[in-house]
Amino acid sequence: GQQVMQIPQYQHVQEGEDFTTYCNSSTTLSNIQWYKQRPGGHPVFLIQLVKSGEVKKQKRLTFQFGEAKKNSSLHITATQTTDVGTYFCAAPGNSGNTPLVFGKGTRLSVIA
Amino acid sequence: GAVVSQHPSRVICKSGTSVKIECRSLDFQATTMFWYRQFPKKSLMLMATSNEGSKATYEQGVEKDKFLINHASLTLSTLTVTSAHPEDSSFYICSAGDRAPTNEKLFFGSGTQLSVL
Repeated sequence: GQQVMQIPQYQHVQEGEDFTTYCNSSTTLSNIQWYKQRPGGHPVFLIQLVKSGEVKKQKRLTFQFGEAKKNSSLHITATQTTDVGTYFCAAPGNSGNTPLVFGKGTRLSVIA
Repeated sequence: GAVVSQHPSRVICKSGTSVKIECRSLDFQATTMFWYRQFPKKSLMLMATSNEGSKATYEQGVEKDKFLINHASLTLSTLTVTSAHPEDSSFYICSAGDRAPTNEKLFFGSGTQLSVL
């Protein structure tokens, strides 16, 4: 079935440093979504990317969808302690009626 | 955004007992809800797709007789872990989209931490 590979698994940064997580698929994706899960919490939808080469920004977060629609990235500029959590990418399954398949997630720790 | 309510948030039970978890869409109707399982510091593993008025679709390796899913209305899906064992201890989380049929963003319940003694 559909798989999305996400790296790195963990990332520890000093507050103020940048952070990037990457998501890759072997197949073309119709769209890709990003979620954030705070420690002890549930995943919260961040954004959906649909178009080839699309770039979207949310304050310090920049989301990109590759030209081939097989990869995506989430970049956080000047991390803050509030950015701590696990970031998941998710993409629809192979057939039309399958739900989202999640990457393994990248757990971000920010050291103040 | 849409709200999905999940109850209980935490349950501790004895081995061999059954536990029911409820998932409600509060301000929208969900013909489809999804049940995920998450082990500590791991990703979300889809267990089953709950379909209103019909049988749930289970992922490979998930025992349908152990994890009973009922989706009797457009706003409620339940997951019952039958004859729970310690290995069933996990974080169970439901989700739903507010626009059918697929590819829409998911709204997650707050999850249920199940501990089986």
